Amino acid sequence: QSVLTQPPSVSGAPGQRVTISCTGSSSNIGTSSYVHWYQQLPGTAPKLLIFDINNRPSGVPDRFSGSKSATSASLAITGLQAEDEADYYCQSHDSSLNSYVFGTGTKVTVL
Amino acid sequence: EVLLVESGGGLVQPGGSLRLSCEASGFTFSTSWMSWVRQAPGKGLEWVANIKEDGTVKNHVDSVKGRFTISRDNTRSSLFLQMNSLRADDTAVYYCARDRSWGATDYWGQGTLVTVSS
Repeated sequence: QSVLTQPPSVSGAPGQRVTISCTGSSSNIGTSSYVHWYQQLPGTAPKLLIFDINNRPSGVPDRFSGSKSATSASLAITGLQAEDEADYYCQSHDSSLNSYVFGTGTKVTVL
Repeated sequence: EVLLVESGGGLVQPGGSLRLSCEASGFTFSTSWMSWVRQAPGKGLEWVANIKEDGTVKNHVDSVKGRFTISRDNTRSSLFLQMNSLRADDTAVYYCARDRSWGATDYWGQGTLVTVSS
């Protein structure tokens, strides 16, 4: 099982704000500046949404934002849109495992 | 346009071997760390391995150490994953991806399905 825990699902109405948590430990999120988030639409490859905690690659809307506090990270989606319905994964480096690790994944549903 | 095209997946018996390939274009392959990430059917993402630009540093997740080996050929802009002693729990779509920095993979291929079954 993954060392990064996410809620299985979150939902919201169009226009609302939703947040996805990613809970880790002192060997990963707690001591790393390298926390990333991905969006995976059904049947497609993942897409990098946020890198290094709170940076967006070119082309990613500013509706997506990231943050970190202690051993947890969060992804916020504001102004939720139907096209945001997808699976979202966090990722970090784990110094104990000497490996990159992904979160368990969260399915976002737009009501 | 950036393209990563995986090939080499298929059906293999437990204990068998496969070699995955990934051909890259549209970016400077020789100056990029590269990774393999897999996703079992209906499951989440799992980082498998990565390799430094010049191939001198390779990292593998514990579950594949001793069985899988990542490699690259910068003259052909190609990434490889040699998979030996395959097990049923290696069944997954394998993605080739470019690592922009510290695991943040910004370019992904379409994936190739590996099925390990008798």
